[in-house]
Amino acid sequence: QVQLVQSGAEVKKPGASVKVSCKASGYTFTSYGISWVRQAPGQGLEWMGWISAYNGNTNYAQKLQGRVTMTTDTSTSTAYMELRSLRSDDTAVYYCARVSGVVYGYFDYWGQGTLVTVSS
Amino acid sequence: EIVLTQSPGTLSLSPGERATLSCRASQSVSSSYLAWYQQKPGQAPRLLIYGASSRATGIPDRFSGSGSGTDFTLTISRLEPEDFAVYYCQQYKPWTFGQGTKVEIK
Repeated sequence: QVQLVQSGAEVKKPGASVKVSCKASGYTFTSYGISWVRQAPGQGLEWMGWISAYNGNTNYAQKLQGRVTMTTDTSTSTAYMELRSLRSDDTAVYYCARVSGVVYGYFDYWGQGTLVTVSS
Repeated sequence: EIVLTQSPGTLSLSPGERATLSCRASQSVSSSYLAWYQQKPGQAPRLLIYGASSRATGIPDRFSGSGSGTDFTLTISRLEPEDFAVYYCQQYKPWTFGQGTKVEIK
């Protein structure tokens, strides 16, 4: 069965960076993309970006351009999301999700979420 | 950028009642690349509907999606206790989410 298992909760100071991992299993990793979505406390879902696990192509949300980097390690079927220059409003649960299509697609499987808290 | 606006913000209904949730796009959504997700507190979202009207694997048939262009609807024919949650619409070419509709117990 398809599973996406994310790394554990993080607490970071403003200005620091965080790197969240998402380990996939139960399917051919390079046949799908991975998107990252975040949800601030009590708020809705915000799409952050997408990465092709096939060729590493990326597409980032404009508001995060320059602060976010998404990568994959095909040898371990793991996707990573790094966010730099953290601010208090980056405090959120971060989700990875499998994208159903080669490029665009809906999110058919989700990780369990990783809470990132940014606080001095 | 296409903006998705969901209404109402909160829907207060009783078990057994019918729920109708709306998602309106600021521009036409390509080829019905529209999905619906359900999210319960403390859980990741779950895919319900894709392609505007196709149910995802394992989703009960009381959930149905309809619409095209700029107007889409998620209908829950008879609310079960486990259906009280927040629902999000999403366009996936490219990706944006609506702000969500909370379905709460009246």
